[in-house]
Amino acid sequence: QVQLVQSGADVKKPGASVKVSCRISGYTFTSFGISWVRQAPGQGLEWMGWISAYNGYTNYVQNLQGKITMTTDTSTSTAYMELRNLTSDDTAVYYCARDPGVFSVGGGFDYWGQGVSVTVSS
Amino acid sequence: DIQMTQSPSSLSASVGDRVTITCRASQGIRNDLGWYQQKPGKAPKRLIYAASSLQSGVPSRFSGSRSGTEFTLTISNLQPEDFATYYCLQHYSYPPTFGQGTKVEVK
Repeated sequence: QVQLVQSGADVKKPGASVKVSCRISGYTFTSFGISWVRQAPGQGLEWMGWISAYNGYTNYVQNLQGKITMTTDTSTSTAYMELRNLTSDDTAVYYCARDPGVFSVGGGFDYWGQGVSVTVSS
Repeated sequence: DIQMTQSPSSLSASVGDRVTITCRASQGIRNDLGWYQQKPGKAPKRLIYAASSLQSGVPSRFSGSRSGTEFTLTISNLQPEDFATYYCLQHYSYPPTFGQGTKVEVK
């Protein structure tokens, strides 16, 4: 069965970076993309960006450009999302989701990781 | 960006009730809309895709419909496990955008 398993919770200081992983199983990694979505405490869902697992092409939401990097490792079927220069506004749960888009953002997220809590605090 | 206006933001209902949640898109999105259920501390789970297609394994009491740019999620015969927050998501236009969410609470 399709599974997306994310790394564990993390606590970071302001200005630091965090890198979250998302390891997939149950499907061919390179036949889909991966989107990342975050949810601040008590808030709604925010799409952050997408990466093609086929060719590594990325597309980030405008307000995170320069702060975010998404990568993949096809040898381990793992996607990564790195967020730099963290502030308290980045405190959130971060989800990866399977995206049907291989060459561009698809958006119909059918399977999700369990989520990773990232807390930014001094 | 396409705005998805979801209403109501919360509602109170009882087991057995029929519940309706609406998302209105700021422009046409064809049928490129999904509905998600999220329970506390859990990842969202897709219930409906392509506006009205039921995700495999999802109970048939969940249904989706579209009228122009207005999309509706209906839960008939609300069950105890259905108390949760529901979100719509449009993926017709970049970037994908979510509605603000509707919390379904026990009356």
